[in-house]
Amino acid sequence: EAGVAQSPRYKIIEKRQSVAFWCNPISGHATLYWYQQILGQGPKLLIQFQNNGVVDDSQLPKDRFSAERLKGVDSTLKIQPAKLEDSAVYLCASSTGWGGLASDTQYFGPGTRLTVL
Amino acid sequence: AQKVTQAQTEISVVEKEDVTLDCVYETRDTTYYLFWYKQPPSGELVFLIRRNSFDEQNEISGRYSWNFQKSTSSFNFTITASQVVDSAVYFCALSEGIQGAQKLVFGQGTRLTINP
Repeated sequence: EAGVAQSPRYKIIEKRQSVAFWCNPISGHATLYWYQQILGQGPKLLIQFQNNGVVDDSQLPKDRFSAERLKGVDSTLKIQPAKLEDSAVYLCASSTGWGGLASDTQYFGPGTRLTVL
Repeated sequence: AQKVTQAQTEISVVEKEDVTLDCVYETRDTTYYLFWYKQPPSGELVFLIRRNSFDEQNEISGRYSWNFQKSTSSFNFTITASQVVDSAVYFCALSEGIQGAQKLVFGQGTRLTINP
């Protein structure tokens, strides 16, 4: 079974530029998550989708970050405009859960390492 | 609010030594789940184990074992006879049940280095 796919793996941009990350979850997984992992820290949830609906985006900086999952499968996370403090690894995860249960196990992709200069 | 603390920022041992990674959590819920993930240099978080709050039985999987103690709110992870391939950052995480929105909170991680 194929795992969670993400692209690109690395991205370097200047501040104030825009950038987009793509994620394809494990086939059949209803729930998709985007995390931000700053160097030396644990991942922090940005947004959670169930199918194509947003379940939780309370920690997403909505003035510059946006995400969509139009057909309930793959997803795109965008940053516009980027700031220096956005330098981090952006991880995508998926789980089978249809109800966002605490027991759901999340499976992670390899991440996209973003450097903002 | 839920919180996970991994007090050990870095651990370095020589191959074949046993090593224990500590994890302490805080939650007000009676139903919750605890997880351990491994993050090798490649960056992907690899799922290791999930434990629910009602099951305090210790678990062993090969060289890995987990000790869950509700009385001390701890979920520690031990690697027996460590190997160089075990070198990675290990994360403990806590999940509380909020219907429709799983809240998975991670600790800061412990960087484990196994020296040959």
